[in-house]
Amino acid sequence: SAVISQKPSRDICQRGTSLTIQCQVDSQVTMMFWYRQQPGQSLTLIATANQGSEATYESGFVIDKFPISRPNLTFSTLTVSNMSPEDSSIYLCSVVDREAGELFFGEGSRLTVL
Amino acid sequence: GQNIDQPTEMTATEGAIVQINCTYQTSGFNGLFWYQQHAGEAPTFLSYNVLDGLEEKGRFSSFLSRSKGYSYLLLKELQMKDSASYLCAASDSNYQLIWGAGTKLIIKP
Repeated sequence: SAVISQKPSRDICQRGTSLTIQCQVDSQVTMMFWYRQQPGQSLTLIATANQGSEATYESGFVIDKFPISRPNLTFSTLTVSNMSPEDSSIYLCSVVDREAGELFFGEGSRLTVL
Repeated sequence: GQNIDQPTEMTATEGAIVQINCTYQTSGFNGLFWYQQHAGEAPTFLSYNVLDGLEEKGRFSSFLSRSKGYSYLLLKELQMKDSASYLCAASDSNYQLIWGAGTKLIIKP
């Protein structure tokens, strides 16, 4: 199974600033996703991170607010830009192991915006 | 529209058996995931059912009926550490998931 390292694990940020979350996988994976989980709610897909091309965003999420990079098959970053308290959430990266038929999650990054 | 439903909360007794149901209506359905999530932690994978029937994995089993749009997660010999939220998610062939809101399972001694 894939091992995913995500950082920072948590951070407290000021309104109007931006924070970049990193996701490192110990093996090459084709499919990598970024999710958000707001307090007390289920997971919401932000975007699919595509290697070598622009990410595919879900309805309600835009590149200016959540720019994503995926320079290779083992690494991706998600930036939360111009943060507001409404962005306080857990952000999770996940990867697919097609062979095993499993979708794995990183440990998550808990952001609190003041 | 697409939707996926599961109970909000369930309570069970240590040592007992509990069944958490999940119904779904999605397009391009390929399989049904179950995840366990402890408070403040990331979800951890429990099962992925693609074919109809029951799959057993230790104390946890998962069932899928594609024709009925129905799945359940069965937990046996409940332990206090099983207190968590259980999330079901319907997946298409590209692993685009529709997530349920999660079922909070409370285990009492």
